[in-house]
Amino acid sequence: EPEVTQTPSHQVTQMGQEVILRCVPISNHLYFYWYRQILGQKVEFLVSFYNNEISEKSEIFDDQFSVERPDGSNFTLKIRSTKLEDSAMYFCASRTMAGRSPLHFGNGTRLTVT
Amino acid sequence: AQSVTQPDIHITVSEGASLELRCNYSYGATPYLFWYVQSPGQGLQLLLKYFSGDTLVQGIKGFEAEFKRSQSSFNLRKPSVHWSDAAEYFCAVGETGTASKLTFGTGTRLQVTL
Repeated sequence: EPEVTQTPSHQVTQMGQEVILRCVPISNHLYFYWYRQILGQKVEFLVSFYNNEISEKSEIFDDQFSVERPDGSNFTLKIRSTKLEDSAMYFCASRTMAGRSPLHFGNGTRLTVT
Repeated sequence: AQSVTQPDIHITVSEGASLELRCNYSYGATPYLFWYVQSPGQGLQLLLKYFSGDTLVQGIKGFEAEFKRSQSSFNLRKPSVHWSDAAEYFCAVGETGTASKLTFGTGTRLQVTL
């Protein structure tokens, strides 16, 4: 069964540095998402992306964050000037179409900001 | 705004025993409802989903869930738990018409004793 692939599985960075989290969605999927889970807290929606633009974003997704689909297979989340509170598990997800198709999640990238 | 409550943070059951994980939601209309499972080091795997129709839905790994509108609940059940079911279980709600911007509960960690 096709999977959403995320790399790296764990990234450690220093406060103030920029990080790029990478995702390869399932190949025929058209809608892409990032969610995050701070340790011990809920999984939270960050952003959705369709047709090469952001379709919706949460209040968490401020100017520090950006997403990009640089080619036909990758979907990236960039965090500029990381803060300690950005430490979390970041999940990428994708789906085939809008409506009733469920999200398929990757295994996540654990980001640790020191 | 929609919300999801999973009242049980941690549940322990014996292998072979039945299981019920509780989920209550708050949403103005009929929501889209999901259960995801997260094994250690893994991503979020979809167990089952409810969009409309039959209120008892079957999922993978022998799980089922029942949508009860009057109780705003979507409890997950399994008649006989296996040791491999030990994981964290998340209930999630999506807005009608979309299943993308999901709101998750805080999760229930299931421990299975032999």
